[in-house]
Amino acid sequence: DADVTQTPRNRITKTGKRIMLECSQTKGHDRMYWYRQDPGLGLRLIYYSFDVKDINKGEISDGYSVSRQAQAKFSLSLESAIPNQTALYFCATSDAGRGELFFGEGSRLTVL
Amino acid sequence: QKEVEQNSGPLSVPEGAIASLNCTYSDRVSQSFFWYRQYSGKSPELIMSIYSNGDKEDGRFTAQLNKASQYVSLLIRDSQPSDSATYLCAVTFNQAGTALIFGKGTTLSVSS
Repeated sequence: DADVTQTPRNRITKTGKRIMLECSQTKGHDRMYWYRQDPGLGLRLIYYSFDVKDINKGEISDGYSVSRQAQAKFSLSLESAIPNQTALYFCATSDAGRGELFFGEGSRLTVL
Repeated sequence: QKEVEQNSGPLSVPEGAIASLNCTYSDRVSQSFFWYRQYSGKSPELIMSIYSNGDKEDGRFTAQLNKASQYVSLLIRDSQPSDSATYLCAVTFNQAGTALIFGKGTTLSVSS
């Protein structure tokens, strides 16, 4: 089993729908992250959390919210999805050391 | 605005040649530097980390860091077709540690 698990792996939805992407990890790391990847734009940070009570905005947080339900779980929500949120979303974890990230397999979201 | 810049490529090299990938970053207090490799449709995987000025070698890979010039590079010796991928440079931007900021990536193509 993967150390960082994302669900769903693929999702097609319509404009205006609420969508939740979930991430769980078995690595025991305190830090969790959500990134978005678009062709030619690399990985852009949406939100990150250094522990259960800590939530921080990243580069592109508008239109997104997150919840850190437990040390091992970090979910990303799109309250009202729009087509330009169509992208590949990655969850990642790290420990409190030098910052190396461990990625999930990605969730491909299409908003029609 | 914290920035990480990479030449998007594509960088094309013949099999057996040295591939040189470059990255510049905007903040002098950056502490940790990483190179990730990403195959199309897959999640990024860490191939090198470097924290102090100089060179760090791991097999066919060498990372070079020059903090005064705010420059980090990755050399791949004896390039193989399996090295064909997008290479992402990532940087942490403060001494307390924060989320990684990624460059847009350089696409490498190794021809046999």
